[in-house]
Amino acid sequence: DADVTQTPRNRITKTGKRIMLECSQTKGHDRMYWYRQDPGLGLQLIYYSFDVKDINKGEISDGYSVSRQAQAKFSLSLESAIPNQTALYFCATSPGQGYGYTFGSGTRLTVV
Amino acid sequence: GENVEQHPSTLSVQEGDSAVIKCTYSDSASNYFPWYKQELGKGPQLIIDIRSNVGEKKDQRIAVTLNKTAKHFSLHITETQPEDSAVYFCAARVRTGGGNKLTFGTGTQLKVEL
Repeated sequence: DADVTQTPRNRITKTGKRIMLECSQTKGHDRMYWYRQDPGLGLQLIYYSFDVKDINKGEISDGYSVSRQAQAKFSLSLESAIPNQTALYFCATSPGQGYGYTFGSGTRLTVV
Repeated sequence: GENVEQHPSTLSVQEGDSAVIKCTYSDSASNYFPWYKQELGKGPQLIIDIRSNVGEKKDQRIAVTLNKTAKHFSLHITETQPEDSAVYFCAARVRTGGGNKLTFGTGTQLKVEL
């Protein structure tokens, strides 16, 4: 089984709909992150959490919200999806400072 | 905040040749520089990293160099093989009170041709 699991893998939704992307990890890491990937723009940080009671905004948090339900679970919500939120979304974890991230396989979201 | 620039955006090499990808960063407080490889349909995977107290690090055909004075670091792949074809991302971490938040470059699409 994957260390970082994202669901769904692909999703098509309509403008204005609420959608939740889920991430779970078996790494035992405290730190979790949500990134968005667009062609030519690299990876942009949406939200991050250093423990269950800690939630922080990243570079592009507008239009998104998150919930850290447990150490192993970190979900990303789009309250009212819009077409320019069409992108590839990645969840990542890390054990602490000075360590690299472990990424999930991504969720490809299309808003029509 | 930190800004990371990565060049080139695309790179095509012949199998067996070397490939070099370069990144610059803006914040002199950055102290950790990982490199990720992303294959089609997969998430980025850490392939090598370097910390600011080291100038060079090697792992088989992959090496990373860091020049703190110039604020740039590079990924070197020798004897390239078709399976090296992927998108490569550099990143830099700034040491802040909150810790471990990476800023990524925009990626390099590497194509190794037979």
